[in-house]
Amino acid sequence: DGGITQSPKYLFRKEGQNVTLSCEQNLNHDAMYWYRQDPGQGLRLIYYSQIVNDFQKGDIAEGYSVSREKKESFPLTVTSAQKNPTAFYLCASRSGGDQETQYFGPGTRLLVL
Amino acid sequence: AQSVAQPEDQVNVAEGNPLTVKCTYSVSGNPYLFWYVQYPNRGLQFLLKYITGDNLVKGSYGFEAEFNKSQTSFHLKKPSALVSDSALYFCAVMGYNFNKFYFGSGTKLNVKP
Repeated sequence: DGGITQSPKYLFRKEGQNVTLSCEQNLNHDAMYWYRQDPGQGLRLIYYSQIVNDFQKGDIAEGYSVSREKKESFPLTVTSAQKNPTAFYLCASRSGGDQETQYFGPGTRLLVL
Repeated sequence: AQSVAQPEDQVNVAEGNPLTVKCTYSVSGNPYLFWYVQYPNRGLQFLLKYITGDNLVKGSYGFEAEFNKSQTSFHLKKPSALVSDSALYFCAVMGYNFNKFYFGSGTKLNVKP
């Protein structure tokens, strides 16, 4: 988990509320990723960013938004449009080389009140 | 299309016995393959990767993986399992454009004393 921090560890969302998950990395990595993990479904890609001020939708982007204003930060907002947000959210980063490994943060568990 | 399959939801093995966690892949072009381990409520930890070269790749914590091109497999192995190896294991393949990773659904490894 070293080098990538996610906060908070647990987050509670009320119905109709937007919440933002933080992801910060000090690895000087160019690319950053957000995944959603549900039991028995592995990891599904929400958004990814290869460089600052640029990002692309992953497989399940609906109901989520991101920004990449700084290289070290890639916050994820879970909007009220996401009707089933309860999940474990994982942030990852990697440097730009084609053989480079993706490294993960410790995760944020989002629960709905 | 890029994808990986982990055919076993769960693998049970006795401590001290060898273990194998299976992974098969489907890629366009040369496969870049990875194994990760996840402990409860934690992020994924990188174990090893295959990019090119020797078909037997050695990684962290005594794990190794064998790349088999003809069978499109990348099985994770360890000669002698430990109770502390009990965790969720993910196989992943890097997409052809080196921007996205595709994860299997995960295999839960249970090592019993």
